[in-house]
Amino acid sequence: QLQLQESGPGLVKPSETLSLTCTVSGYSINRSSYYWAWIRQPPGKGLEWIGSVYYSGSSFYNPSLKSRVTISMDTSRNQISLKLTSMTAADTADTAVYYCARHEHCDNCYSSYFDSWGRGILVTVSS
Amino acid sequence: SSELTQDPAVSVALGQTVTITCQGDSLRSYYVSWYQQKPGQAPRLIIYGKNNRPSGIPDRISGSSSGNTASLTITGAQAEDEADYYCNSRDSSGDHVLFGGGTKLTVL
Repeated sequence: QLQLQESGPGLVKPSETLSLTCTVSGYSINRSSYYWAWIRQPPGKGLEWIGSVYYSGSSFYNPSLKSRVTISMDTSRNQISLKLTSMTAADTADTAVYYCARHEHCDNCYSSYFDSWGRGILVTVSS
Repeated sequence: SSELTQDPAVSVALGQTVTITCQGDSLRSYYVSWYQQKPGQAPRLIIYGKNNRPSGIPDRISGSSSGNTASLTITGAQAEDEADYYCNSRDSSGDHVLFGGGTKLTVL
């Protein structure tokens, strides 16, 4: 059974880089067919796709975050990582619950959806 | 277009039928997916592709699309259906992913 588990610091300081890890169990991330994604949700607000990475290592990102984001894979550990630079404090979307998810995004299927999600990790930006 | 638009809130009487909509230019080209999110939980995929339901999603939940508008219909609404509902699809270029702002469904 596929399970995803996010881990990392719950608190980061303004201007620092956020580093999160998603550990996948029950499925090998280096199998083809799926991307692996990060999505975030500020408290009381909606969902925002951050970016996704394919088993080959190729990735694509939300244009609004592209300059700050790196998503990568460690296939030996079956993990996906997120790095988000220049975190900012309150009144921005950086304080949020960060989710990792399995992402179906195929060129010929005209759809893009997230079929399995981790429970999420709350990250607060504060000095 | 880089937006998917949803009504912020919708209500339905217990046992009645409710439709939640999602509008966006990209929906003329791409399928929409729908997610249900209850307080304190991660979103759960409930509709994807051309009205497909993952295992465990009841058939009283269905999706449809026409032009730039996609719809999620819940027939015979139950108290357990009270949740936030989000749509998602690709943007018009097909290269990026969008979420709608979400609709809070209240079952009266």
